[in-house]
Amino acid sequence: QQPVQSPQAVILREGEDAVINCSSSKALYSVHWYRQKHGEAPVFLMILLKGGEQKGHDKISASFNEKKQQSSLYLTASQLSYSGTYFCGTEGSNAGKSTFGDGTTLTVKP
Amino acid sequence: GAVVSQHPSWVICKSGTSVKIECRSLDFQATTMFWYRQFPKQSLMLMATSNEGSKATYEQGVEKDKFLINHASLTLSTLTVTSAHPEDSSFYICSAPLSGLNYGYTFGSGTRLTVV
Repeated sequence: QQPVQSPQAVILREGEDAVINCSSSKALYSVHWYRQKHGEAPVFLMILLKGGEQKGHDKISASFNEKKQQSSLYLTASQLSYSGTYFCGTEGSNAGKSTFGDGTTLTVKP
Repeated sequence: GAVVSQHPSWVICKSGTSVKIECRSLDFQATTMFWYRQFPKQSLMLMATSNEGSKATYEQGVEKDKFLINHASLTLSTLTVTSAHPEDSSFYICSAPLSGLNYGYTFGSGTRLTVV
């Protein structure tokens, strides 16, 4: 079953922060996050495997709440290059078979 | 590292013809390749999973006779859209696991198929 992402879209000014949420109605084995620019393939950002795990790179981080079957992606001090559509992909017990959310379109303006 | 090269980037073909899309893993062996289709402003929809040396596994509602998948080697998986129709026009993307299933996935650059 497809995870639900929120919000669907967000518009920011450079330097502002954003949070994108991903929730599932079923138990999750892992959650992974991607960013896709228009007309391009998705680019892998990070994967979270364990409940309570948090990861980050530069100013983009994510957390995974296994009990709530949720993950959140945090973008701090956003840059123009952060613009794109962010997808979460989830895996249940059938590891290796991902289901993607509908995406969150992030627009960062100068 | 872990690059999947996908060709062609775009293709325009006439209704009724067949189109082959190739995905090559350049610096690793991809025993598994996932094939997705993405319509404008929509999410990635898994079509099928190919495994080297065995038959592909298709998702419910995907016609296996129309979307032929071949994974003959550890570095090449192909998707052939047979007897293409305008409704098959879409963005097709392949993806392979990175170093096993615990490290995310790497995607090909995608193929924009337009059937006229």
